[in-house]
Amino acid sequence: GAVVSQHPSWVICKSGTSVKIECRSLDFQATTMFWYRQFPKQSLMLMATSNEGSKATYEQGVEKDKFLINHASLTLSTLTVTSAHPEDSSFYICSARDQGTHSPLHFGNGTRLTVT
Amino acid sequence: DAKTTQPTSMDCAEGRAANLPCNHSTISGNEYVYWYRQIHSQGPQYIIHGLKNNETNEMASLIITEDRKSSTLILPHATLRDTAVYYCIADNTGNQFYFGTGTSLTVIP
Repeated sequence: GAVVSQHPSWVICKSGTSVKIECRSLDFQATTMFWYRQFPKQSLMLMATSNEGSKATYEQGVEKDKFLINHASLTLSTLTVTSAHPEDSSFYICSARDQGTHSPLHFGNGTRLTVT
Repeated sequence: DAKTTQPTSMDCAEGRAANLPCNHSTISGNEYVYWYRQIHSQGPQYIIHGLKNNETNEMASLIITEDRKSSTLILPHATLRDTAVYYCIADNTGNQFYFGTGTSLTVIP
């Protein structure tokens, strides 16, 4: 089945630094990938849609200059949290869809970001 | 996407069938129903999806009412490893999914 790999699985960084999270589709190509954020005891919230070869589309209220998304190839999207602050600490999850309009989204195992 | 509503939490005895309901009364004709589950600190895991016919796979069965306004996910023989939050999503875009609050299922020994 379709596998989405996310790296790192957890990261701790100091306030003011930037952190990059990678999302890879291992056995399929994905022109579109999706980034979610999840705070403790809450549901997943869509942050942005990552489009291969073009700009990402951000959900309302998500700062595009803070959460930089790059989708340089059909198997890799990256999310960079710039100038991280403690309130950015969260669980970040990416997903992608294999071929087929109504095929299901497959999710990575998430990245736990802690900003100190 | 149609809004979905699910009970906040449910319990199920180990070995019994777990029946998780989802209401999607505003679903449109071309929206599929997808089910995912999320075990603590992991990404969501795909379970099953369907349009109007009942579906079954190795993990679960999906029963969709004839009017498509609700559906039920059935885990036929729940185990402790099925304890998770279960999400029901109605979508027709084939693109991003918007998650509701889901049902926290606890399987009791």
